[in-house]
Amino acid sequence: QSVLTQPPSASGTPGQRVTISCFGSRSNIGKNSVCWYQHFPGAAPKLLIYSDFQRPSGVPDRFSGSKSGTTASLAISGLRADDEANYYCATWDDSLSGLVFGAGTRVTV
Amino acid sequence: EVQLVDSGGGLVQPGGSLRLSCAASGFTFSSTWMTWVRQAPGKGLEWVADINEDGSEKHYVASVKGRFTISRDNSKKSLFLQMNSVRAEDTAIYYCARISYGDALDMWGQGTVVSVSS
Repeated sequence: QSVLTQPPSASGTPGQRVTISCFGSRSNIGKNSVCWYQHFPGAAPKLLIYSDFQRPSGVPDRFSGSKSGTTASLAISGLRADDEANYYCATWDDSLSGLVFGAGTRVTV
Repeated sequence: EVQLVDSGGGLVQPGGSLRLSCAASGFTFSSTWMTWVRQAPGKGLEWVADINEDGSEKHYVASVKGRFTISRDNSKKSLFLQMNSVRAEDTAIYYCARISYGDALDMWGQGTVVSVSS
């Protein structure tokens, strides 16, 4: 059981906006920056968001991240069929002295 | 080309050992933290271990402490994971990744499959 809680699934129709939440605590999200990863089965995960809301070069601005207190969120706007994937939040946990991932959210379009 | 290439996976019996490797190219390997992340069948991503630039600082997830050892050879631009006393629950795809600003894993290997079974 992960220390970061994500909904197991989220869905939307093409063009819609979907938001995924990641609930943590003071020892992880409350103190450290959050990253989001996109993972297609059979492929390597891809960094989508780092430092809570920053996008690496090449990531479309349809993907946005935010954080408030011990909750982080990933929003996907203008949903597309090829956004169907698993999305994971991650951050360092000071109590565990390790990186922790959420259990992942499967997005269906 | 900037890339990470994982290798060394395979079938191993419970209690056995395996050594995973990750070859880096296209960036200054000796200046970056590196990590191993795994994904068990039907499960999510799980951080396994990380190591600092010169190998003097290492962290492990509790479930592998005392059994796995992360190491690196900067002269060969290579990262390793020595897996001893493996268990069925260690069955997974293992990815090496580069750690960037804010603990972001900004580059990943393609993964190598480890199966623990008798």
